[in-house]
Amino acid sequence: GIQVEQSPPDLILQEGANSTLRCNFSDSVNNLQWFHQNPWGQLINLFYIPSGTKQNGRLSATTVATERYSLLYISSSQTTDSGVYFCAVVVSGTYKYIFGTGTRLKVLA
Amino acid sequence: EAGVTQFPSHSVIEKGQTVTLRCDPISGHDNLYWYRRVMGKEIKFLLHFVKESKQDESGMPNNRFLAERTGGTYSTLKVQPAELEDSGVYFCASSPGYMNTEAFFGQGTRLTVV
Repeated sequence: GIQVEQSPPDLILQEGANSTLRCNFSDSVNNLQWFHQNPWGQLINLFYIPSGTKQNGRLSATTVATERYSLLYISSSQTTDSGVYFCAVVVSGTYKYIFGTGTRLKVLA
Repeated sequence: EAGVTQFPSHSVIEKGQTVTLRCDPISGHDNLYWYRRVMGKEIKFLLHFVKESKQDESGMPNNRFLAERTGGTYSTLKVQPAELEDSGVYFCASSPGYMNTEAFFGQGTRLTVV
């Protein structure tokens, strides 16, 4: 089956710093989404981005489907950005989202 | 437009008891999915409904879990009897189609079995 690897697995930042999270996948995908699971366990939809670039405030994402990776950029990080970031993909011809291993982010005040 | 809504947001039950989780998908979305994250591991697929029919329940861990979707609208996931290893966060998602379409996830139900 498809492998969805995220890096780094853990990341600690000072408030105000920028970061880049990466998602690599081993097969062709139709869909790709980024999520933030906050410390209370809630899953927040960030981006639906099967290809191209999107921006939403301090967050932006880029997916290069032909090279099988996606990047999530967080600028001017805040303590509320802490939590686990997941990317999830749908393999071409299927319908299930396969989630990555996650990046655990902690932003220090 | 309301998003995917899950009830309750948090449930604490004793081992051996029964718990029912509910998911209200976005109106008009025929496809409904259940996922869960347990023990800090990855988020895993449980099952997929198209309207009221189960299309794929290959991710259901065992027969203590029962999912239903009445009339193709809301869905329930019952755990009976609950075990300690069922603790985790259960997510529901819905989409209008099931390929090449965005899935909208609810914020999850945190289940704690003590």
